Amino acid sequence: GEDVEQSLFLSVREGDSSVINCTYTDSSSTYLYWYKQEPGAGLQLLTYIFSNMDMKQDQRLTVLLNKKDKHLSLRIADTQTGDSAIYFCAESGDAGNMLTFGGGTRLMVKP
Amino acid sequence: GAGVSQSPSNKVTEKGKDVELRCDPISGHTALYWYRQSLGQGLEFLIYFQGNSAPDKSGLPSDRFSAERTGGSVSTLTIQRTQQEDSAVYLCASSLVSGGPWDEQYFGPGTRLTVT
Repeated sequence: GEDVEQSLFLSVREGDSSVINCTYTDSSSTYLYWYKQEPGAGLQLLTYIFSNMDMKQDQRLTVLLNKKDKHLSLRIADTQTGDSAIYFCAESGDAGNMLTFGGGTRLMVKP
Repeated sequence: GAGVSQSPSNKVTEKGKDVELRCDPISGHTALYWYRQSLGQGLEFLIYFQGNSAPDKSGLPSDRFSAERTGGSVSTLTIQRTQQEDSAVYLCASSLVSGGPWDEQYFGPGTRLTVT
């Protein structure tokens, strides 16, 4: 079956850039997503990228997709303490279809 | 507008009891999903409803798990004869399914189930 993997933990200092990495195995993945989960809160979609794109930028967020290596990354510029959360990457075959999630990366931002 | 709501927010039950978890999706959303978030398994898909089509039950871990969606809106996830390994946060999501890449799944706050 499909598998999505992420490192468990990342710690950065406030103002630095954060890079969260994700690898997936399903070559038919059409959409790839980044979700944020803050303590006690639900999942919030941060951004998504279509599989025929290499990069997508949205304010402080940059998503890079290497389809050949099945590698997805999320870069957060000028990381703030409010960015501390768990970040999940996910993939789906089609929009409106079920998501396969990675295990989540806990980002800790130190002041 | 109102988001996805789930009830109860917390449920503690004894092993062997049945539980029902409720999800109210965003009005007008045709797709509804149940996921489970547990320490050992991460976030895993359980079941997917789309309009009037037969649900995709491929993620249900055992026949103790079932779900219904009445009138294309509210959904109930039922776990029979609960086991301790069922302890998890059960998340519901809904999406509009317009056919484009912007079919965001909106997640509810989840129901934390603890089986003692």
